[in-house]
Amino acid sequence: GQSLEQPSEVTAVEGAIVQINCTYQTSGFYGLSWYQQHDGGAPTFLSYNALDGLEETGRFSSFLSRSDSYGYLLLQELQMKDSASYFCAVRDYMDSSYKLIFGSGTRLLVRP
Amino acid sequence: DTAVSQTPKYLVTQMGNDKSIKCEQNLGHDTMYWYKQDSKKFLKIMFSYNNKELIINETVPNRFSPKSPDKAHLNLHINSLELGDSAVYFCASSPIRRMNTEAFFGQGTRLTVV
Repeated sequence: GQSLEQPSEVTAVEGAIVQINCTYQTSGFYGLSWYQQHDGGAPTFLSYNALDGLEETGRFSSFLSRSDSYGYLLLQELQMKDSASYFCAVRDYMDSSYKLIFGSGTRLLVRP
Repeated sequence: DTAVSQTPKYLVTQMGNDKSIKCEQNLGHDTMYWYKQDSKKFLKIMFSYNNKELIINETVPNRFSPKSPDKAHLNLHINSLELGDSAVYFCASSPIRRMNTEAFFGQGTRLTVV
């Protein structure tokens, strides 16, 4: 089966840097994605890693190590609006089909 | 133009009723999904459709049935609603290309069963 683990909650101050880790277990791995979801809103795509290494998109960066089945999302220069839930997700390919499986989410609280 | 739209946004109904949630995407994607998000924010996949063909049917009660009249639509029918069905249901779509895993979500339907 598939499973993803990430911390349930993280707190940081405005302007700081925070890292949200994700470990996964899956059979047919086709990449690790990160999604952001504000309260009452829909998940929105942030980043995707198919290969090992760091991908940078503005203040957000995402890292993947396939050998360790591990990735993280790095948020820099935190802003109050970054307070949201962050989900890692793996794209699995099994039985001739793709499936996007989400972790349980990490609630990030940014304080002044 | 809304990429993935689902209706209604809110749905309050009594136990035992039958209800439907509609979903449409105008992105030309091959794959559509239904997810259930409970009060603990856990996003659980329910169904996955690829080109109108049911690909994945997770362990959901058979009271839930997806219907895909065409590639752009994936509706969710729920029979004999129960209190435990209360949750937010998200429709999503994604292209099937291997190197692109971005999924686009609808705004969600908050279902409350009373």
